[in-house]
Amino acid sequence: ETGVTQTPRHLVMGMTNKKSLKCEQHLGHNAMYWYKQSAKKPLELMFVYSLEERVENNSVPSRFSPECPNSSHLFLHLHTLQPEDSALYLCASSQDGVSGDGAFFGQGTRLTVV
Amino acid sequence: TQLLEQSPQFLSIQEGENLTVYCNSSSVFSSLQWYRQEPGEGPVLLVTVVTGGEVKKLKRLTFQFGDARKDSSLHITAAQPGDTGLYLCAANMDSNYQLIWGAGTKLIIKP
Repeated sequence: ETGVTQTPRHLVMGMTNKKSLKCEQHLGHNAMYWYKQSAKKPLELMFVYSLEERVENNSVPSRFSPECPNSSHLFLHLHTLQPEDSALYLCASSQDGVSGDGAFFGQGTRLTVV
Repeated sequence: TQLLEQSPQFLSIQEGENLTVYCNSSSVFSSLQWYRQEPGEGPVLLVTVVTGGEVKKLKRLTFQFGDARKDSSLHITAAQPGDTGLYLCAANMDSNYQLIWGAGTKLIIKP
């Protein structure tokens, strides 16, 4: 058990759909992250929240919209995605947002855009 | 250009053999982490190294951080099928949020 739970585990959506990914951490951490993982490529950091404030946004297209209502929950709202957005989306948390701490990951959401 | 190069990209060996995988860079890092990711799961943190020359052991796994803090190695002794997975290294250059990731070494241990 990782302490970080993501739902859904799998998602298939059309390019005109709107969907949301959910992440919940039970570790008492103050920082949460969204990553995109594509085959044979390094993990791409998308967003970082520390104490519910967005502190980093790595030039992610606006069709991805994060939301962090509290330090335990993180959402990624998806709208009008493209097929190339198909990937594994990983949520992670760490103690205080200093990346040297080490991150704890959820199991990911496998997203397929058709 | 990747800042963190992992090699080999893929390794398939028999159970009981030893192996070493590498994580290299021309940059100096303040800390480096190793993760293992199994299919359909998220990465799991194995170890963090912070001091040049540091060696950490986790059962049959030995992690070493280079003296200059630019590279790291992971050595597995007597590999088991349960060691199968994608091994990822990640490092940060200073105290910020941006972990730099390697593309991983996919390891398969055949029974």
